[in-house]
Amino acid sequence: GNSVTQMEGPVTLSEEAFLTINCTYTATGYPSLFWYVQYPGEGLQLLLKATKADDKGSNKGFEATYRKETTSFHLEKGSVQVSDSAVYFCALSIGGSQGNLIFGKGTKLSVKP
Amino acid sequence: EPEVTQTPSHQVTQMGQEVILRCVPISNHLYFYWYRQILGQKVEFLVSFYNNEISEKSEIFDDQFSVERPDGSNFTLKIRSTKLEDSAMYFCAGGDGVVEKLFFGSGTQLSVL
Repeated sequence: GNSVTQMEGPVTLSEEAFLTINCTYTATGYPSLFWYVQYPGEGLQLLLKATKADDKGSNKGFEATYRKETTSFHLEKGSVQVSDSAVYFCALSIGGSQGNLIFGKGTKLSVKP
Repeated sequence: EPEVTQTPSHQVTQMGQEVILRCVPISNHLYFYWYRQILGQKVEFLVSFYNNEISEKSEIFDDQFSVERPDGSNFTLKIRSTKLEDSAMYFCAGGDGVVEKLFFGSGTQLSVL
């Protein structure tokens, strides 16, 4: 079946540290891949996406590259800020399923000043 | 920026009781969804709703669950007879049919005692 596996949290980093949150997927067909972020007290927000192999999604300094050969979509940021503290969710969507996203468990990131 | 509003933010109920979780989607959205996340587990798709009927549902969405859009603004999830295992964060989402453009609410934490 279709599934997403992301690294267990919580992840605690100092400000300006490099961030990687690993995400791998299993899917039939050709999924679109997403990273969502949930800041405290808010809803999930789309952070970035990639719809085909080798695409790189980027937003707010975060990047992720769709790697078909390793079925991965790891999230990276070169220098995190305290305001990046949130829960990050990796997700996939299979074509034809409107809004039926398959999520990972989420990874909580805490950035200390 | 428009947002999806969910009420209440936290609901406590006794096992066997009926609960209704409420959502006010963004006014021009036509597709509506419920997801849930049991503590420590993945965010799971429950149901999608379009044109006043269910368009897709997961195995989780059994006869104990129902959804409706009673007045053109609210979108509700009803659980007829709650079980302990229904305790979870429930997220409402809305969109225009493009999965990349889903807007999520901040969730209702349901605790079944």
